[in-house]
Amino acid sequence: KAGVTQTPRYLIKTRGQQVTLSCSPISGHRSVSWYQQTPGQGLQFLFEYFSETQRNKGNFPGRFSGRQFSNSRSEMNVSTLELGDSALYLCASSPRLAGSIDTQYFGPGTRLTVL
Amino acid sequence: GEDVEQSLFLSVREGDSSVINCTYTDSSSTYLYWYKQEPGAGLQLLTYIFSNMDMKQDQRLTVLLNKKDKHLSLRIADTQTGDSAIYFCAERSSGYSTLTFGKGTMLLVSP
Repeated sequence: KAGVTQTPRYLIKTRGQQVTLSCSPISGHRSVSWYQQTPGQGLQFLFEYFSETQRNKGNFPGRFSGRQFSNSRSEMNVSTLELGDSALYLCASSPRLAGSIDTQYFGPGTRLTVL
Repeated sequence: GEDVEQSLFLSVREGDSSVINCTYTDSSSTYLYWYKQEPGAGLQLLTYIFSNMDMKQDQRLTVLLNKKDKHLSLRIADTQTGDSAIYFCAERSSGYSTLTFGKGTMLLVSP
C-alpha cells in the first residue's frame, strides 16, 4: 500500500504571498491531520479533517486553513505568509474506523521557506 | 493542558542498549506512541502502547509504561548506527485523534 504523499516537497515563497500544500492519505484512510514542525516550537497540531469536515483545530491564526475532498485528499492554505511560517508541514492519515487504534501515519512533509 | 517532556540528547555506542524517556501530564491519555525522524524525512511510527498496558515488546524495541508516574520509556536493544535519529514520544487523549508530541530526543550512535 502506498504511504502518505505530500506535494510539493519544497517550496520557497516571499512574505505576503499565499501557499497551498497538498496531502494524499493512505488508501482507505478517511482522516487527515496537519502538523507544523519548527526548531523552536517542535511539532504542533494545526487541524484534522474527516468526512470533508474540520473536526479539530489547533491554536493557529485564521491565516491557516484547510479542506478535505470527497476522496479524502486534503489541502492546507496559508495566506499572507510571515517569516515565522517557515517550517516543515507534516500531514498524517488515519483510518478513523470505530474500534480501531486509529494510528496516524505521516508523510515526508513539505519544507516551506518564507523569505 | 497536555504536556509531553523528553530529554533532548542521548549518545550511545554501537551494540549498547539505548533508553529514551518521556513524561506526560494528561491522565486521560489512551495511546502513547514512539515515532522516529531521520534528517529530511517525515515521522516513522515505531510502536505504540495502550494506556492499560505496562510493557510491549517488538523485536529490538521495548516500551515500558508507568501510568502512576506518567512515565514512558523506549529501549532499543543492540543499538546500531542506523538508529541515529530523533525520537518523538506522543500521547493521544481519550475522545480525540490529535497527537501531542514531546520536543524529541536526538539519539547519536557512535561506532
